[in-house]
Amino acid sequence: GNSVTQMEGPVTLSEEAFLTINCTYTATGYPSLFWYVQYPGEGLQLLLKATKADDKGSNKGFEATYRKETTSFHLEKGSVQVSDSAVYFCALTPWDFGTGTKLQVIP
Amino acid sequence: GAVVSQHPSWVICKSGTSVKIECRSLDFQATTMFWYRQFPKQSLMLMATSNEGSKATYEQGVEKDKFLINHASLTLSTLTVTSAHPEDSSFYICSAPRRLQNIQYFGAGTRLSVL
Repeated sequence: GNSVTQMEGPVTLSEEAFLTINCTYTATGYPSLFWYVQYPGEGLQLLLKATKADDKGSNKGFEATYRKETTSFHLEKGSVQVSDSAVYFCALTPWDFGTGTKLQVIP
Repeated sequence: GAVVSQHPSWVICKSGTSVKIECRSLDFQATTMFWYRQFPKQSLMLMATSNEGSKATYEQGVEKDKFLINHASLTLSTLTVTSAHPEDSSFYICSAPRRLQNIQYFGAGTRLSVL
């Protein structure tokens, strides 16, 4: 079956630092891949997605590239802000979510 | 704006009572909705898949008699926590997939505290 492995947090960064949150997956076929973000006290919202190999999803300065050869979908941002503090989830399908990575950005 | 509305956002109840949580898709029809439970260390657990007009599909280990799901219309699914106990205290989140866009929209979540 499918599975998603996401790096454990929490991740603490200073403002303007570079962010990488690793996500790898196992799946049959070629699923779409998603990153969701959950701000404190809220539900999840879609951050970005990619539907096929080599696709790059991007939104709000975040990027992730669908790498079929390494079965990865790492989330990156060049310069994080305090407002990016949240929990980030990598996902394949509604049944297949990573465990979430908490990001804390300090001024 | 929100495309999936979840209500209430926070509920406190006494042990032994039942609590109903509503999940509505606001501008699209959702034949399927999902119910999740989020644990303190943030991990999401899919509890069940709610299917309009038929029985919900529960994940392994989830008590269907305790967590009653009803999907009465194409825009509304409800989760009722029956005879709630303190160990049921948690954050419950619903979602609805919008198939045309291949995107899952989430409600804002319901914080349940059972005293």
